[in-house]
Amino acid sequence: AQRVTQPEKLLSVFKGAPVELKCNYSYSGSPELFWYVQYSRQRLQLLLRHISRESIKGFTADLNKGETSFHLKKPFAQEEDSAMYYCALPGAGSYQLTFGKGTKLSVIP
Amino acid sequence: KAGVTQTPRYLIKTRGQQVTLSCSPISGHRSVSWYQQTPGQGLQFLFEYFSETQRNKGNFPGRFSGRQFSNSRSEMNVSTLELGDSALYLCASSLTGGSGELFFGEGSRLTVL
Repeated sequence: AQRVTQPEKLLSVFKGAPVELKCNYSYSGSPELFWYVQYSRQRLQLLLRHISRESIKGFTADLNKGETSFHLKKPFAQEEDSAMYYCALPGAGSYQLTFGKGTKLSVIP
Repeated sequence: KAGVTQTPRYLIKTRGQQVTLSCSPISGHRSVSWYQQTPGQGLQFLFEYFSETQRNKGNFPGRFSGRQFSNSRSEMNVSTLELGDSALYLCASSLTGGSGELFFGEGSRLTVL
């Protein structure tokens, strides 16, 4: 069954420090993976998707099929990065996403 | 353009009652999906509609139902409310569904007493 695991509920880092938000998945086949973000008092929104191979707001994520991981990384954390981050992949049926339980990132000034 | 609009934003009901939540997608988006968000279970998929047809349904009891209208607006209904139905209900729209980008509303927060 499709499953997304985000092992850290809360991650605190100092401003300027590197950030890595972990995401592991189980999926049959080649998944398309996503990172969604929810800033305080804002809607849940797409941050990036692995298929586009973009860097958004300094964040990148590489799909590692061998380790079934899709960790989100940023070399230098900023205070405005503080938010809830959700990893997601296509669910068991079509037209749905399965989300991890999320990691709250707190960037300490 | 206007984002996904959900109404009402907050509501309080008692056990046994029913509730209807509404979602207006972004103009031009034909896929609407619904998710339940709780602290314990996180985001869980309820169902997805495209052109008035339910294409997929999550693992929720039959008390949870939905529909989509010809203008792509969608409603979801929960009958015989239980305490465990207290949650934030999120609606998301996209052009075609599938693995496209989802655009979320602010949610309807339901409290069941």
